[in-house]
Amino acid sequence: KQEVTQIPAALSVPEGENLVLNCSFTDSAIYNLQWFRQDPGKGLTSLLLIQSSQREQTSGRLNASLDKSSGRSTLYIAASQPGDSATYLCAVRKKTGANNLFFGTGTRLTVIP
Amino acid sequence: NAGVTQTPKFRILKIGQSMTLQCTQDMNHNYMYWYRQDPGMGLKLIYYSVGAGITDKGEVPNGYNVSRSTTEDFPLRLELAAPSQTSVYFCASSYSSTGVTGELFFGEGSRLTVL
Repeated sequence: KQEVTQIPAALSVPEGENLVLNCSFTDSAIYNLQWFRQDPGKGLTSLLLIQSSQREQTSGRLNASLDKSSGRSTLYIAASQPGDSATYLCAVRKKTGANNLFFGTGTRLTVIP
Repeated sequence: NAGVTQTPKFRILKIGQSMTLQCTQDMNHNYMYWYRQDPGMGLKLIYYSVGAGITDKGEVPNGYNVSRSTTEDFPLRLELAAPSQTSVYFCASSYSSTGVTGELFFGEGSRLTVL
């Protein structure tokens, strides 16, 4: 079974700082990895999807990287803002099984003004 | 484009009652999913569907049922509600299960409390 781990569980940074969120997974046979943002009491919003053949994806101040061989992905947030405060989750889609999407428990980010 | 719409947003049930959580999507997605999210836990897959008329169990299906009569709708039925079903339920959809079309889109969630 695929295990997805996100460390740390919580992170506080001052506004303007660049930061990195980590996601690790145990089975490298994946189709893709997706990063989500979840605000309190809300659903998950897709941020970036990286296919297994890609090394990174960028959207605005966000950059996600994927190292499939080591089972790691990072989400880089540049020039953090208080509006970035949320929980960030990663999910990997394995190549085997239709029930093949596995989520981490998330990193709760607080950006302090 | 409304995306994925869930109703109701909040519901309180008594033990033993039944109810249906509604989910509809307007993106013509083939795949639809129901997850539950409990504090400190990752999302757990309850049921999923790969197309109209086709459903299958996920990781935690006990106490739930689903149907998929149309591409747009994927209701989740809770029979004989138990306190262990207190959770936040999310419906999601994707066009496929691989590649860029495997991107998942979520609804806003339905918060259910069973007392």
